[in-house]
Amino acid sequence: GENVEQHPSTLSVQEGDSAVIKCTYSDSASNYFPWYKQELGKGPQLIIDIRSNVGEKKDQRIAVTLNKTAKHFSLHITETQPEDSAVYFCAASSGGYQKVTFGIGTKLQVIP
Amino acid sequence: DARVTQTPRHKVTEMGQEVTMRCQPILGHNTVFWYRQTMMQGLELLAYFRNRAPLDDSGMPKDRFSAEMPDATLATLKIQPSEPRDSAVYFCASGPNWHEQFFGPGTRLTVL
Repeated sequence: GENVEQHPSTLSVQEGDSAVIKCTYSDSASNYFPWYKQELGKGPQLIIDIRSNVGEKKDQRIAVTLNKTAKHFSLHITETQPEDSAVYFCAASSGGYQKVTFGIGTKLQVIP
Repeated sequence: DARVTQTPRHKVTEMGQEVTMRCQPILGHNTVFWYRQTMMQGLELLAYFRNRAPLDDSGMPKDRFSAEMPDATLATLKIQPSEPRDSAVYFCASGPNWHEQFFGPGTRLTVL
């Protein structure tokens, strides 16, 4: 089955700086890579996703990159703000009815 | 603003008791997922349904866990008998397709 590794497990950045979270996956058949943000006391919320036919996707201050050859993908947050503080999960799925496998999560703290 | 709802939000029970967690998926979503989240294991998929039919429940301890969808507006997860190691946050998620998952707020279960 799929195995998704995520790092770092914790990340502290100064407000306004950039944050990068990296993930690797094991199943070369995986073709869908969502990222979720989980705030304290809430369920994870999808913030951005990328499919294997695209190398990069951007949505305002958030961007994801995908390297299928190396089987890794990353989340980039620019101009971080205190409200970006949360736990971020990467995930991978090979489509069809294959389950989405989540990484262990990265706790991001943005220091004002 | 359509949301997945879960009840109860918190549950404290004693070992050996039956626990039932309920989820109301977003109207029109045909996939429903149950996850368990712990610090050690992260997000674990327990079971998932498509059009109310269970597709995979291999993530659940079969002897004590059961998941059902009595109708399109209700999904249930039962634990009988509960054990202290079942203490976790249980999330329900629904989606309009296989990949997009909208998570509920979770049920925090404590088994004493």
